Amino acid sequence: VQLVESGGGLVQPGGSLRLSCAASGFTVSAHFMTWVRQAPGKGLEWVSILYRGGTTYYADSVKGRFIISRDTPKNTLYLQMNNLRAADTAVYYCARDIWFDPWGQGTLVTVSS
Amino acid sequence: EIVLTQSPGTLSLSPGERATLSCGASQSVSRSYLAWYQQKPGQAPRLLIYDASSRSTGIPDRFSGSGSGTDFTLTISRLEPEDFAVYYCHQYGTSPRTFGQGTKVEIK
Repeated sequence: VQLVESGGGLVQPGGSLRLSCAASGFTVSAHFMTWVRQAPGKGLEWVSILYRGGTTYYADSVKGRFIISRDTPKNTLYLQMNNLRAADTAVYYCARDIWFDPWGQGTLVTVSS
Repeated sequence: EIVLTQSPGTLSLSPGERATLSCGASQSVSRSYLAWYQQKPGQAPRLLIYDASSRSTGIPDRFSGSGSGTDFTLTISRLEPEDFAVYYCHQYGTSPRTFGQGTKVEIK
């Protein structure tokens, strides 16, 4: 069972980025999948969750700007991030199940001009 | 939103000592849906405990979780050198999911 994030990088404020989380060893669509972020030197912040049935939830801080989705044939979870702000700068992790296990290694998103 | 408050912020202990970490919730955690994670510098968090007291696969039995309602505890019976890290509690019974601010267990 493994999760591998990609897609992070440097983006200007107001820009967009799409993160990917490629899963192996299990089927993404059969599990709850979530995104969690961690700003530099800070604690963990839950971002979004995608239920097996397709229901989605978002933290208030990203609601209306981020979209969580999955591609079943590719067995991959995504996070589309729009209208990015400096406060979105963080390492973004994907994780499986309602109690978040396992986690990917994370991908760094830096929002700066 | 359920606010989780962890105490103490930092715990200074020696290897072999017992560590007791607390996590208090601003309201009752539904079905004791509370987890504990360990995070070391530069690494992703690792699940230790779920459902307040169930150890995750491969986690040594020196780690134990207890509690219900609004008060939860993570106990490390005898600290090993690899246990010095930051620990987070997390509730997943109510949206939005929330985390505590973390407790750092450092070598005294």
